[in-house]
Amino acid sequence: DIVMTQSPDSLAVSLGERATISCKSSQSVFYSSDNRNSLAWYQQRPGQPPKLLIYWASIRESGVPDRFIGSGSGTDFTLTITSLQAEDVAVYYCQQYYDSLFSFGPGTKVDIK
Amino acid sequence: QVQLVQSGAEVKKPGASVKVSCKASGYTFTNYDINWVRQATGQGLEWMGWMNPHTGNTGSAQKFQGRLTMTRDTSITTAYMELSSLRSEDTAVYYCARSRYGDFVPWGQGTLVTVSS
Repeated sequence: DIVMTQSPDSLAVSLGERATISCKSSQSVFYSSDNRNSLAWYQQRPGQPPKLLIYWASIRESGVPDRFIGSGSGTDFTLTITSLQAEDVAVYYCQQYYDSLFSFGPGTKVDIK
Repeated sequence: QVQLVQSGAEVKKPGASVKVSCKASGYTFTNYDINWVRQATGQGLEWMGWMNPHTGNTGSAQKFQGRLTMTRDTSITTAYMELSSLRSEDTAVYYCARSRYGDFVPWGQGTLVTVSS
């Protein structure tokens, strides 16, 4: 099974500043045949279900603000919030869908400093 | 719009089973897998399993094998998740989610299952 890890566990960033979250997989989630990484990012605000932000590691879901940027390949990925807004306070999860046994990272909590 | 609506909260005793429903609308139900994910209070997301509504084929995380049953009724575009032999550690919010490429969109609103004697 593919194990996902995230760092840091939590971070506090000033409004308008950059937040960066790291996600690592225990094996590569890159499909060479498709030239794609099977990695998604979700945002979960308190009391709500998760919301898809990014898929294929770097493609923003429709309606997601362009301050959310996904990058990385293979086993190392990053979610960057370029200018943190109050509504971005949430827990962020990465998820691999490389094999049929999906798995999530443990989550990173983002707060306002 | 694409939507998943889940059944309401449940309270069960240890050893019992729970069955949660997930009603799909706004798309062709049999074209996309349904996944189940749970979240204990204050904890992260735990993927449980998937079901192909067209074939009925399923797959699940090893820790749930033998206790998790996923079914569907295509006539009413509804998926079901049944978890048996419940214990206190199964207390959680259970979500269904449509799998697109393997990413999950959208998610149901969640169903709280409380296991308590």
